[in-house]
Amino acid sequence: AQSVTQLDSQVPVFEEAPVELRCNYSSSVSVYLFWYVQYPNQGLQLLLKYLSGSTLVKGINGFEAEFNKSQTSFHLRKPSVHISDTAEYFCAVSEGRDDKIIFGKGTRLHILP
Amino acid sequence: GAGVSQSPRYKVAKRGQDVALRCDPISGHVSLFWYQQALGQGPEFLTYFQNEAQLDKSGLPSDRFFAERPEGSVSTLKIQRTQQEDSAVYLCASSLDRSGEQYFGPGTRLTVT
Repeated sequence: AQSVTQLDSQVPVFEEAPVELRCNYSSSVSVYLFWYVQYPNQGLQLLLKYLSGSTLVKGINGFEAEFNKSQTSFHLRKPSVHISDTAEYFCAVSEGRDDKIIFGKGTRLHILP
Repeated sequence: GAGVSQSPRYKVAKRGQDVALRCDPISGHVSLFWYQQALGQGPEFLTYFQNEAQLDKSGLPSDRFFAERPEGSVSTLKIQRTQQEDSAVYLCASSLDRSGEQYFGPGTRLTVT
């Protein structure tokens, strides 16, 4: 069975500092990986996805993630955060392009002024 | 363009009442998913439709939960005899078949008192 572990429930970081949100997954088959963002009182929005090809994936708003198969990780990074990045971030996995998505519990990114 | 819409946005039900939650997917999207997001948790899969066919309902927590998509577009999630543990945000998502990206609606926040 698939599962997703987000190691940090909250990450505080100063504005303009870099950030990494950690995600590990488990699956017995090849997977597709996603990061979604949920801004306060808004719906889920896709940040980026890994389906195949290059293991470094670039997404919206300056975020990127790297798929590491040997470590079963898909950590999210941004070199310089802005106050507008305050949100909940969800790592997710699915076994097919049109399959249900299994979400992690989320990491709340808190930007400090 | 129009995204996924859900109604109502908020619903308060007394324990034991039946509720119906509506999802309007993006026009032309073949696949439709329902997820349940409890407070402080990531979304959890409930059920999946491809056109009007319900292909996976493994995530429905009990036989009080029922979903339908009779004409392959609008979907309704019905919860009978609501319980307090049903309180959550119910998210609907749609996707083009095999596109690898699900588009989420804003959700319906159900509170059972």
